[in-house]
Amino acid sequence: EAGVAQSPRYKIIEKRQSVAFWCNPISGHATLYWYQQILGQGPKLLIQFQNNGVVDDSQLPKDRFSAERLKGVDSTLKIQPAKLEDSAVYLCASSTLAGAYNEQFFGPGTRLTVL
Amino acid sequence: AQSVTQPDIHITVSEGASLELRCNYSYGATPYLFWYVQSPGQGLQLLLKYFSGDTLVQGIKGFEAEFKRSQSSFNLRKPSVHWSDAAEYFCAVGVTAGGSYIPTFGRGTSLIVHP
Repeated sequence: EAGVAQSPRYKIIEKRQSVAFWCNPISGHATLYWYQQILGQGPKLLIQFQNNGVVDDSQLPKDRFSAERLKGVDSTLKIQPAKLEDSAVYLCASSTLAGAYNEQFFGPGTRLTVL
Repeated sequence: AQSVTQPDIHITVSEGASLELRCNYSYGATPYLFWYVQSPGQGLQLLLKYFSGDTLVQGIKGFEAEFKRSQSSFNLRKPSVHWSDAAEYFCAVGVTAGGSYIPTFGRGTSLIVHP
């Protein structure tokens, strides 16, 4: 079974530029999560999708971050414009359904550096 | 709001020695509790989880954790560490609020294994 795929693996941009990350979850997984992991910290949940609907985005900085999951499969996370403090690893995870009982499977992440 | 504290940023052990990683949580009730491992350049992998019942839970790779309600702790243990266990370890709590499942991670403990 293929795991969660993310691209690109690394991205370097200058502040005020835009960037987008892509995630392909495990086939059949209805729930998709995006996390931000700043160096020296644990992952912080940004947004959670159930199929193509948003379940929770309370920790997403909506003035610059956006995410979508068209057709309930792949998802993209966008930052526009980027700030220095957005430098982090962005992790995507998926699970069969939402909730603690359903194990989350994580992708390798995209490491973003904002100069 | 829930929170997770991992008091040790780094832990160094010799190969073959026992290991205990500490985790304390703050939440009004008993949350769902998890331990994850993250190897360099990879996503997180679930080691074990506690929902209810027996307070000593067994996980993969020979790890176990004990839930102690009186101490609000969920410490991770392994009787004999292998060099391949060197990685970052994250404790997490999961809370359902307003119909949404929100996982919160600690900042992580880096395990260094000496030969």
